[in-house]
Amino acid sequence: DAKTTQPPSMDCAEGRAANLPCNHSTISGNEYVYWYRQIHSQGPQYIIHGLKNNETNEMASLIITEDRKSSTLILPHATLRDTAVYYCIVRVATGSSNTGKLIFGQGTTLQVKP
Amino acid sequence: EAQVTQNPRYLITVTGKKLTVTCSQNMNHEYMSWYRQDPGLGLRQIYYSMNVEVTDKGDVPEGYKVSRKEKRNFPLILESPSPNQTSLYFCASSVTGSEPRHEQYFGPGTRLTVT
Repeated sequence: DAKTTQPPSMDCAEGRAANLPCNHSTISGNEYVYWYRQIHSQGPQYIIHGLKNNETNEMASLIITEDRKSSTLILPHATLRDTAVYYCIVRVATGSSNTGKLIFGQGTTLQVKP
Repeated sequence: EAQVTQNPRYLITVTGKKLTVTCSQNMNHEYMSWYRQDPGLGLRQIYYSMNVEVTDKGDVPEGYKVSRKEKRNFPLILESPSPNQTSLYFCASSVTGSEPRHEQYFGPGTRLTVT
């Protein structure tokens, strides 16, 4: 199964962009990348997902490299409420089918500072 | 209110005493999953279910059992709990397990301590 690697922690100034990297060098061609975040010990919250192309929604942007071996989650204007643990996740695929098996990275603790 | 509920929220038990943590969702979701969270290890998937009567192992299934007899419920069973199963457990559900979006909704968590 694919493995994801994330830096354990990062800081970001309030109002600046937060760029959170993830390495998933063993990802297979049909496997999606997902990002979730967790505030304190609450249940994680979905942010965004992607396969090959860059994606953007109201919360964030996801940039996936052309070789798909890494990705970056971008929070364009970080606020204090974005302080959380961010998880990069690969969803295992068998052949062309998505499974329900998810491989989580260990998470990056993002601290947004005033 | 659409939600995933877990019971109990907190549990302290002793080694070897069988226990069940219940998980229920009211959103008619096909997909459900269990995770454990440990310091320094992040979240790890225990079991998942793509639909009723369909369950599969996640990353760390050893020592756990699950069943999916009804769509709304997905209990996690520890037949003989051990101290290394002390953890924070989350249940989650998603509309479907096969679509790309796969946005999961998580329950509030169950903090289990096995002495």
